[in-house]
Amino acid sequence: IAGITQAPTSQILAAGRRMTLRCTQDMRHNAMYWYRQDLGLGLRLIHYSNTAGTTGKGEVPDGYSVSRANTDDFPLTLASAVPSQTSVYFCASSKTGGSYNEQFFGPGTRLTVL
Amino acid sequence: KNEVEQSPQNLTAQEGEFITINCSYSVGISALHWLQQHPGGGIVSLFMLSSGKKKHGRLIATINIQEKHSSLHITASHPRDSAVYICAVGRDNNDMRFGAGTRLTVKP
Repeated sequence: IAGITQAPTSQILAAGRRMTLRCTQDMRHNAMYWYRQDLGLGLRLIHYSNTAGTTGKGEVPDGYSVSRANTDDFPLTLASAVPSQTSVYFCASSKTGGSYNEQFFGPGTRLTVL
Repeated sequence: KNEVEQSPQNLTAQEGEFITINCSYSVGISALHWLQQHPGGGIVSLFMLSSGKKKHGRLIATINIQEKHSSLHITASHPRDSAVYICAVGRDNNDMRFGAGTRLTVKP
């Protein structure tokens, strides 16, 4: 693995189903982030983690949960998907937390909730 | 009103032209980021700055803290510069606010 990876690349999901988007980085970065990107709105922060074992809420956290059991992995879970969660999801990481750090982005997951 | 406004939304240029993309923000920031999103969707960081000016190859980014404004310039533009350019402002902690992006098309 080089950098930051996400899985799946794309997914079509029925409303009400549970879904976990996976994110893994091999850069030993302390901080990780989940964003959603919607047309015309730009990226919006869902949740973040400054270090393993800690997480925080971003701008649009409702309907999503995260965990950070170790440094490398930061999964995003939709407990019961709704159509408004149709979006492209990007995971990112940085050496440390705080908005004064360069972020490295994964390739994204395109999620469609029907 | 969005906290981060970019202009123009779309920009078409001929190869070799000098390009300017503008970003205005309405909140206090700790840093401003310029990102590039390729047609395939991947996002890379171009610049992070909190004052003055930075240059990397044909790209130049400037920021005026007092006026809450930043510009991204591309000199001698090339078709491979075609992408969406995103301005983002970093606030306290991990609070990043993103502009909607400027879609640049450079024609040969």
